Amino acid sequence: AQTVTQSQPEMSVQEAETVTLSCTYDTSESDYYLFWYKQPPSRQMILVIRQEAYKQQNATENRFSVNFQKAAKSFSLKISDSQLGDAAMYFCACFSGYALNFGKGTSLLVTP
Amino acid sequence: GAVVSQHPSRVICKSGTSVKIECRSLDFQATTMFWYRQFPKQSLMLMATSNEGSKATYEQGVEKDKFLINHASLTLSTLTVTSAHPEDSSFYICSASRGFDSPLHFGNGTRLTVT
Repeated sequence: AQTVTQSQPEMSVQEAETVTLSCTYDTSESDYYLFWYKQPPSRQMILVIRQEAYKQQNATENRFSVNFQKAAKSFSLKISDSQLGDAAMYFCACFSGYALNFGKGTSLLVTP
Repeated sequence: GAVVSQHPSRVICKSGTSVKIECRSLDFQATTMFWYRQFPKQSLMLMATSNEGSKATYEQGVEKDKFLINHASLTLSTLTVTSAHPEDSSFYICSASRGFDSPLHFGNGTRLTVT
């Protein structure tokens, strides 16, 4: 079975500061993708960043970057220069082609 | 970009009735679609994986006869909640993919309320 674990139910960051959200996963597949999704109160799922497991280089997308440690099965998300609009639920997910499994989510609060 | 349309966005139905939720990929052919259920302040729980032209693969604990999934074409998958009960009230969301190495796209979800 494929599992995704987010150990931080809530995180808080001050505007313009940096925050890191943790995620660990477990899969028996050799080919997989890892994602971070953002879910604002509208409940829409918004892709933040995507990492192919076969790529060693960490993915970056503007203020968002990941620290992908394949051996440790760790996939953390770093948000730099946090903005008020970053406040949302963040879900880590693993996609093996057969299933897309999500972690329980981290609620990010951004304070002015 | 690719868009997945999910309809309806909100539905209220009476206990015992059935309700159908549609998930359409608008500008690509989706070989695989996923259906999720999300309770308030909780994560998305995978219900089933739907492959075009074949039976859906249900996750453990999901009642196949209650949550009927049909993936009749490469652009449409439907989830039918049969004989709905108030405990079926939830947020249902679908996602679609061209294939394993392609991005996943999510519908905007359906808020189901069973009275």
